[in-house]
Amino acid sequence: DVVMTQSPLSLPVTLGQPASISCRSSQSLVHSNGNTYLNWFQQRPGQSPRRLIYRVSNRDSGVPDRFSGSGSGTDFTLQISRVEAEDVGVYYCMQGTHWPFTFGPGTKVDIK
Amino acid sequence: EVQLVESGGGLVQPGGSLRLSCVASGITFSKTMMSWVRQSPGRGLEWVSGISDSGGSTYYADSVKGRFTISRDNSKNTLDLQMNSLRAEDTAIYYCAGGGFNSGPDYWGQGTRVTVSS
Repeated sequence: DVVMTQSPLSLPVTLGQPASISCRSSQSLVHSNGNTYLNWFQQRPGQSPRRLIYRVSNRDSGVPDRFSGSGSGTDFTLQISRVEAEDVGVYYCMQGTHWPFTFGPGTKVDIK
Repeated sequence: EVQLVESGGGLVQPGGSLRLSCVASGITFSKTMMSWVRQSPGRGLEWVSGISDSGGSTYYADSVKGRFTISRDNSKNTLDLQMNSLRAEDTAIYYCAGGGFNSGPDYWGQGTRVTVSS
């Protein structure tokens, strides 16, 4: 199975400051169809996961533009340009290229 | 508004069985890929199983293959997961999830808790 790793696992941030989460995969996530299926999810406390970004850099409807995704191959990044209080939660990367699809361990974002 | 509502969770002994169900509304269910994803403190988020919109293709994680069976009824907008030979490591919150197979689920239910313990 493809192993997804994230760093850091815990990220205390100051409101209004940027934040960055790294995600790495044990294999290239370029699918045979040319797409790269690296997706990002947010899970707020007490809620179900919610997709933020799909295929590396495509923001879902309703996701603030302070969230952005980038990367290629095996190295990916989720960036929050200015953290707001509602961004507190756990962020997961997920690969959908190789079955079984796998998630990273999660990065917990909280406010300093 | 899209709603996925799970039911059927509970406490079961090791070796026992449980059937989870999910009712969908607000989506064209018969054209939506559906999945079950579970979450536990020990194993994190784990994609358990997926089924194509027609039901013709199914996918299972190795950890549940041969024990779990996913199915759907497009006439009733329902998704099921039959879980047999349950083990302690199957203890988790099970989410019904829909849409966006390779791109990850677009929609998630609120989850139903399964506890396997004697």
